[in-house]
Amino acid sequence: AQSVTQPDIHITVSEGASLELRCNYSYGATPYLFWYVQSPGQGLQLLLKYFSGDTLVQGIKGFEAEFKRSQSSFNLRKPSVHWSDAAEYFCAVGAGNNAGNMLTFGGGTRLMVKP
Amino acid sequence: DTAVSQTPKYLVTQMGNDKSIKCEQNLGHDTMYWYKQDSKKFLKIMFSYNNKELIINETVPNRFSPKSPDKAHLNLHINSLELGDSAVYFCASSQSIRETQYFGPGTRLLVL
Repeated sequence: AQSVTQPDIHITVSEGASLELRCNYSYGATPYLFWYVQSPGQGLQLLLKYFSGDTLVQGIKGFEAEFKRSQSSFNLRKPSVHWSDAAEYFCAVGAGNNAGNMLTFGGGTRLMVKP
Repeated sequence: DTAVSQTPKYLVTQMGNDKSIKCEQNLGHDTMYWYKQDSKKFLKIMFSYNNKELIINETVPNRFSPKSPDKAHLNLHINSLELGDSAVYFCASSQSIRETQYFGPGTRLLVL
């Protein structure tokens, strides 16, 4: 069974600073990987996804993530954080050969942005 | 236009009651899902429904049952509600079982 670990429960960065959120997954085959963001009281919005091909994927709001098979990681990055990026971020893995493609989520990382 | 919508947004009820949460998607997607997010923000899949094939997470109690009147709707019915059922329930849909899932805004259920 697949699993996802987000080692950092909370991260605080200053506005304008760079950001990296860590995500490690466990899955026996090629995974489908996602990053979602959840603002307070809101649903989940897809930031980006990796299915195959180029291991560096670009997403919305200036985010990018890099798939590293050797490290079983899919870390999310942003070069300059804005105050509006404060939210909860979830990494998820989907099993491509699972008939249900039920996503497995990490525990989330709460991002706080200092002015 | 709302892609995936859920009603109600908030639901407060007593233990032992039966309740339903409705989900509708206007994306023309073939697959729909239900997730539960607990008080610690942990998200867990409950069901996946594709072309009348239901896949159930084995940890979900049988008090929970998804009902799909048509391809655009997947409602969640909960019998004999318990305190531990309090959570936020998210509906999602995707074009196929291997495509991106789009989430609804969530239904916040509080069982007293």
